Amino acid sequence: GQQLNQSPQSMFIQEGEDVSMNCTSSSIFNTWLWYKQEPGEGPVLLIALYKAGELTSNGRLTAQFGITRKDSFLNISASIPSDVGIYFCAGPSVTDTGNQFYFGTGTSLTVIP
Amino acid sequence: DSGVTQTPKHLITATGQRVTLRCSPRSGDLSVYWYQQSLDQGLQFLIQYYNGEERAKGNILERFSAQQFPDLHSELNLSSLELGDSALYFCASSVETGTGGEQYFGPGTRLTVT
Repeated sequence: GQQLNQSPQSMFIQEGEDVSMNCTSSSIFNTWLWYKQEPGEGPVLLIALYKAGELTSNGRLTAQFGITRKDSFLNISASIPSDVGIYFCAGPSVTDTGNQFYFGTGTSLTVIP
Repeated sequence: DSGVTQTPKHLITATGQRVTLRCSPRSGDLSVYWYQQSLDQGLQFLIQYYNGEERAKGNILERFSAQQFPDLHSELNLSSLELGDSALYFCASSVETGTGGEQYFGPGTRLTVT
């Protein structure tokens, strides 16, 4: 089945540093969504992207929809301790068995004060 | 707070038993999605309902079933439970008819099968 691969798998950074992570797919996606999940909580939607090449910001977060439509990128500027969590990319895909919704493997972010 | 509610928050049961998880979507959302999150599998899409009808199906076992009621709340039924069914189960909702819409997640139900 479809798989969304995220890299890096984990990151340990100093407070104030910028963070970059990406998500790649073996097939084309028409929508990319980025979520953050904290321990014991449900994923929280951060940014939604709907058009190839689109660059969208939400505060210190910026995400881009890759031109090939097979990847997406998330950047966090000037990280703070509350950025800690697991970041997931996600998106819908039409398969021969119908619509599916896929989540990436996740990038775990640790911010060291 | 996403506006999506799930009950119960925790559930402990024995193998072979049956449980029902409940989800109430955000006000105005017609689509409900169910996901399973286990340590080694990540977030797996199970099934989607839109306005009472099944819209999409993911990796849902035959022992699992779901439905969406006229008031739009949804229930996920898990039967003949196995140890491997222990996981977090999330419900999400969206206003979109398809699966491309922005989904808002509930706090989850942690199921432990002993």
